[in-house]
Amino acid sequence: SQELEQSPQSLIVQEGKNLTINCTSSKTLYGLYWYKQKYGEGLIFLMMLQKGGEEKSHEKITAKLDEKKQQSSLHITASQPSHAGIYLCGAASGTYKYIFGTGTRLKVLA
Amino acid sequence: SQTIHQWPATLVQPVGSPLSLECTVEGTSNPNLYWYRQAAGRGLQLLFYSVGIGQISSEVPQNLSASRPQDRQFILSSKKLLLSDSGFYLCAWSLLEFTEQFFGPGTRLTVL
Repeated sequence: SQELEQSPQSLIVQEGKNLTINCTSSKTLYGLYWYKQKYGEGLIFLMMLQKGGEEKSHEKITAKLDEKKQQSSLHITASQPSHAGIYLCGAASGTYKYIFGTGTRLKVLA
Repeated sequence: SQTIHQWPATLVQPVGSPLSLECTVEGTSNPNLYWYRQAAGRGLQLLFYSVGIGQISSEVPQNLSASRPQDRQFILSSKKLLLSDSGFYLCAWSLLEFTEQFFGPGTRLTVL
């Protein structure tokens, strides 16, 4: 079965610093989704990547899907306290089936 | 715009009691609907999905069941709760296969 591994598991950065979160799949990705979750709340969809080499940006968050389509990275530029939360990657693993990584907890110190 | 609602937001139930969690979607028709459980320190586990009224697919054998009585309504139920049923339950919808999902605010269930 396909698995998604995220690294690091947790991250503490000073406000203004850049950071990167990685998501590695055990199988080829046919769609990779990034979500953000605040503790005790639902997931907020950030962006979806489908094509190898694809890169998308939303405000100060950029996500890339590598050419081999087995790894994605999420990069935050000039982090702010509002970026704090849990970032999860997800992927379609079959018909109507999705899997998710265990998440990366981000804390941004003001 | 589309919105997804879940209730209740929190629930504390004794072992052996029944359960009913409700999810409704507004602003779209014939969505694919999903129930997930998120346990502490673990990722999201897909429990059920539905592609239409009355059509339910189960991913994990357990004492939970799901029903879809209306196009935009998805219900998660149990006849007798177990301690292991505690967790954060999330409902989600997607428009098509292999497209992004949109999640509800979740229900925190504690079974004592």
